[in-house]
Amino acid sequence: GQNIDQPTEMTATEGAIVQINCTYQTSGFNGLFWYQQHAGEAPTFLSYNVLDGLEEKGRFSSFLSRSKGYSYLLLKELQMKDSASYLCAVLDSNYQLIWGAGTKLIIKP
Amino acid sequence: ETGVTQTPRHLVMGMTNKKSLKCEQHLGHNAMYWYKQSAKKPLELMFVYSLEERVENNSVPSRFSPECPNSSHLFLHLHTLQPEDSALYLCASSQDFGSGANVLTFGAGSRLTVL
Repeated sequence: GQNIDQPTEMTATEGAIVQINCTYQTSGFNGLFWYQQHAGEAPTFLSYNVLDGLEEKGRFSSFLSRSKGYSYLLLKELQMKDSASYLCAVLDSNYQLIWGAGTKLIIKP
Repeated sequence: ETGVTQTPRHLVMGMTNKKSLKCEQHLGHNAMYWYKQSAKKPLELMFVYSLEERVENNSVPSRFSPECPNSSHLFLHLHTLQPEDSALYLCASSQDFGSGANVLTFGAGSRLTVL
C-alpha cells in the first residue's frame, strides 16, 4: 500500500529552527508537496520538489531524497504565526496525490 | 472575488436532511476537487472534475453526490448522512489534472456536523 509518515505534533521556540520530516512509500513518484494549514483555514501551498536537493524560499526550505523516500521542511527564525499544521503529499505514478496526516507545529514564546 | 470560495462555512444537519455544499473558483482552473478532512487523518480525495467531466470517484458512498455545472462551480449534495460523515469538507482547484507541478488552491472548507 501507499503510505506517508510524518510526526503528529512538534513544539519549538520562537526564533529557533525546526525540521519536519516526511517519509513516503508510494507507487512511483512525480513530486512532493508541502502545504501549510492554519487552524480553521485553507491549506496553502509552500513548496514542490521533484529533484533531489534543497529548495530555499525565504525562511522555509524543503529537501528531497528520492532514493531514501524522504523529505523535510525546514523553518528558520520561527515566528508565532508559523504555528500551523504542515501537510506532506506525494504525487504517485498515476498523478494521484497521497497525503500524510499532517504535523501540528506549536511555537512557544 | 479571487481564489476558492466555499459556502456555507458551517452546517449542522440531521440524518434525514438534504443539503448542499457550494464551491466557486475564479482562477480559470480546469480541475476541481472535493476532499474530506477528519482530525488527525490524511486528506481523503472524494471526487475530481476535469473540464467539467468527473475523472475520479474514490468509492464514496452514494449519499454524497457531486455536481459540476461549469468549470467555475462545484457542488456536493448531501442526503441521509451518518454521524461519521461529520468532518471538514474542502474544495480545491488546479490549473489541470494529471500533471506534475499541479498546485492545489483550497477553499477554507465547510465544517459539517451530522446529528
